[in-house]
Amino acid sequence: SQTIHQWPATLVQPVGSPLSLECTVEGTSNPNLYWYRQAAGRGLQLLFYSVGIGQISSEVPQNLSASRPQDRQFILSSKKLLLSDSGFYLCAWSRGQGETQYFGPGTRLLVL
Amino acid sequence: AQTVTQSQPEMSVQEAETVTLSCTYDTSESDYYLFWYKQPPSRQMILVIRQEAYKQQNATENRFSVNFQKAAKSFSLKISDSQLGDAAMYFCAYAVRFGAGTRLTVKP
Repeated sequence: SQTIHQWPATLVQPVGSPLSLECTVEGTSNPNLYWYRQAAGRGLQLLFYSVGIGQISSEVPQNLSASRPQDRQFILSSKKLLLSDSGFYLCAWSRGQGETQYFGPGTRLLVL
Repeated sequence: AQTVTQSQPEMSVQEAETVTLSCTYDTSESDYYLFWYKQPPSRQMILVIRQEAYKQQNATENRFSVNFQKAAKSFSLKISDSQLGDAAMYFCAYAVRFGAGTRLTVKP
């Protein structure tokens, strides 16, 4: 069976500090991978998606970046965090475009 | 542009009763999937039900069913025999586009 992991679960970071959130998928190969951000009580905003190693598409211009160094690893990064980067970050995978997405447990990020 | 709209920010239902959550979407595609996801207080997103657009038959999963109206681009979720554990945020989704969500409260 397939599983998806995200870490850390919770992160408190000062403004201007770097960020690295990691997501890994097990039990499948060549998945589509996604990073979403969810503000409190709101819907999901797609940040990045990837259809293969090294292939990253960005939805929203911002100070975040994503990388996919391995087939089942997806990393969300920032060189300098802003207060507005606070939120709940979800990683997801799917077998193909437009298909069912399976979500990780999420990371709560608080930037102070 | 692909958009998903949920017009009910909050809904409430009595335990054991039936509730319907509404969703409309916009697309120019003819073949696609639509989804309802549930997000309980733990914030873990869970797939509730999926509908394939080329299928005329509405999808059902136990107490959950959909009313899919392709021409109207409407995709509502019906929860029958509501249980306390159904209390959550519900999101309608088309591909990577999600609605704003409906918070469902279940009253004992």
